[in-house]
Amino acid sequence: DVKVTQSSRYLVKRTGEKVFLECVQDMDHENMFWYRQDPGLGLRLIYFSYDVKMKEKGDIPEGYSVSREKKERFSLILESASTNQTSMYLCASSLTGAPARAQHFGDGTRLSIL
Amino acid sequence: AQRVTQPEKLLSVFKGAPVELKCNYSYSGSPELFWYVQYSRQRLQLLLRHISRESIKGFTADLNKGETSFHLKKPFAQEEDSAMYYCALGNNFGNEKLTFGTGTRLTIIP
Repeated sequence: DVKVTQSSRYLVKRTGEKVFLECVQDMDHENMFWYRQDPGLGLRLIYFSYDVKMKEKGDIPEGYSVSREKKERFSLILESASTNQTSMYLCASSLTGAPARAQHFGDGTRLSIL
Repeated sequence: AQRVTQPEKLLSVFKGAPVELKCNYSYSGSPELFWYVQYSRQRLQLLLRHISRESIKGFTADLNKGETSFHLKKPFAQEEDSAMYYCALGNNFGNEKLTFGTGTRLTIIP
């Protein structure tokens, strides 16, 4: 069974801090994704990566960056946290060419920026 | 641009009654459509995909290209169906991105 692990379930940070959210998957998936989940807005893609060191912007990349140095790990970085980045962050992974490209999600990190 | 619309944010249905969660999409190519579900305190997970034509937990969804819809249906609702449901659209651009709708929170009334 695919396991996507996010390093923290809850995180509280202060405005202006640099914040790192970590995600690890154990199934050798090529693709990894970062979303934020907000009530009434659904899931919005921040960034995704289709290979090591490769990344593409999603729909809302402003204020975020990502890093993928190893295939199994995908990090989301908030360069200078702001209160409007308080949200639930979901990481997902998928296998290229898998039937219907199902994405497998982690438990999420609820991030509060004070 | 591709888009997914779930017109209902909230839906309440009595136990044993039929359920229909609406999903409409906008996409110029051949769509790949999915339903994902998130039960309380659980991770988001795939419920079903149109290409498999499967029935999962009694739910089915038929792709209607004429109406650009992929509604999720179940003939008899159960209390354990209470959850957040998201419709998602894939693309044919060679990447694995999905576009998600805003979700519908389904509550089954005992």
